Amino acid sequence: SQQGEEDPQALSIQEGENATMNCSYKTSINNLQWYRQNSGRGLVHLILIRSNEREKHSGRLRVTLDTSKKSSSLLITASRAADTASYFCATDAESGGSNYKLTFGKGTLLTVNP
Amino acid sequence: DARVTQTPRDKVTEMGQEVTMRCQPILGHNTVFWYRQTMMQGLELLAYFRNRAPLDDSGMPKDRFSAEMPDATLATLKIQPSEPRDSAVYFCASGFGRGFYGYTFGSGTRLTVV
Repeated sequence: SQQGEEDPQALSIQEGENATMNCSYKTSINNLQWYRQNSGRGLVHLILIRSNEREKHSGRLRVTLDTSKKSSSLLITASRAADTASYFCATDAESGGSNYKLTFGKGTLLTVNP
Repeated sequence: DARVTQTPRDKVTEMGQEVTMRCQPILGHNTVFWYRQTMMQGLELLAYFRNRAPLDDSGMPKDRFSAEMPDATLATLKIQPSEPRDSAVYFCASGFGRGFYGYTFGSGTRLTVV
């Protein structure tokens, strides 16, 4: 079952604009990760934020985490046509005993128009 | 760059046949995940291993699916017998420990059962 749910399901913007995607989850997490998937390809890890962190940056990416609201956001600044892809949040959470697993939301399809 | 290698890239098979998908994780990675991706269900976690031990396969239909790691360089996912509803892209991902640097995905096996 999905742990994270992304919002919106699809987003279309112009090159140069910022893109914001949100992720909500249900249970306590150890960390939250964002991945990108180009059509028909494997997922690529973008950024990870731990449960005790509130904000993290990597290049044009900015991730926030609000554990009280069980939500995260991914901001891509100055978007480019090459950013067109599906973006997924994934939560690392306990799955029983000392085990933990990574579960994904259904993703946001971002289209950046030239 | 180190890669997760999945074979075959594409597989078309008839209903009832056995299908075996293989994954070679990145050397040194001790955590391996198997996911299935469909348009309807998104990314579903099927099974995962840590240090070759299966930790959670609750997402996997046990009557027909099996996942193993015969050694640290090979993970396999078998379906026997295959059914049309198994048609999907199957991804393997590997990482080290708690995956605090994220996980690396393979390019996937696109399975079509006719």
